Amino acid sequence: AQKVTQAQTEISVVEKEDVTLDCVYETRDTTYYLFWYKQPPSGELVFLIRRNSFDEQNEISGRYSWNFQKSTSSFNFTITASQVVDSAVYFCALTGNQFYFGTGTSLTVIP
Amino acid sequence: DVKVTQSSRYLVKRTGEKVFLECVQDMDHENMFWYRQDPGLGLRLIYFSYDVKMKEKGDIPEGYSVSREKKERFSLILESASTNQTSMYLCASSLIGGNYGYTFGSGTRLTVV
Repeated sequence: AQKVTQAQTEISVVEKEDVTLDCVYETRDTTYYLFWYKQPPSGELVFLIRRNSFDEQNEISGRYSWNFQKSTSSFNFTITASQVVDSAVYFCALTGNQFYFGTGTSLTVIP
Repeated sequence: DVKVTQSSRYLVKRTGEKVFLECVQDMDHENMFWYRQDPGLGLRLIYFSYDVKMKEKGDIPEGYSVSREKKERFSLILESASTNQTSMYLCASSLIGGNYGYTFGSGTRLTVV
């Protein structure tokens, strides 16, 4: 069965600190896609990244970076030099016959 | 800018009322979904639809029904609202397969009193 685990429920960091959000997944599929979404206080989930199971290259986009490791079934998300605007709930998700979401990590960046 | 639009941002309804939550997408997506989001429970799938007039139950369909008469519109219906249905409701849409991800609406925060 597919499953996504985000063990960190809440994280607080001081502005400019780096922070890593963990995501571990389970799937029997050989081809699958992983996603990260950001949910700011406004409520809408905003797409951040999509990664397919054949592409294990790490990706960097500005202050955001993602580390995908099939060997450990993990797809971790790092924010470098965090800012107050990064405060949000972050969801990791996996495709199967439907979308499987983790329970989310609430990140608070303290000024 | 492509969008999923939910008709209400906030709703307050009384116990026993019939409640309609409307969702419209302008991306010509085949798939549409309704989730509810509760603290500590993440997003839970209520119903989804792969085509017009087609619906499938998700993980928590009890107390809800849906309607999809047109491709762009997917309605969630609470037949008789109860206080345990107080929640944030999120609509989403996607292309077939969902491998390009979902596009979400801004959510409707429903309070049942």
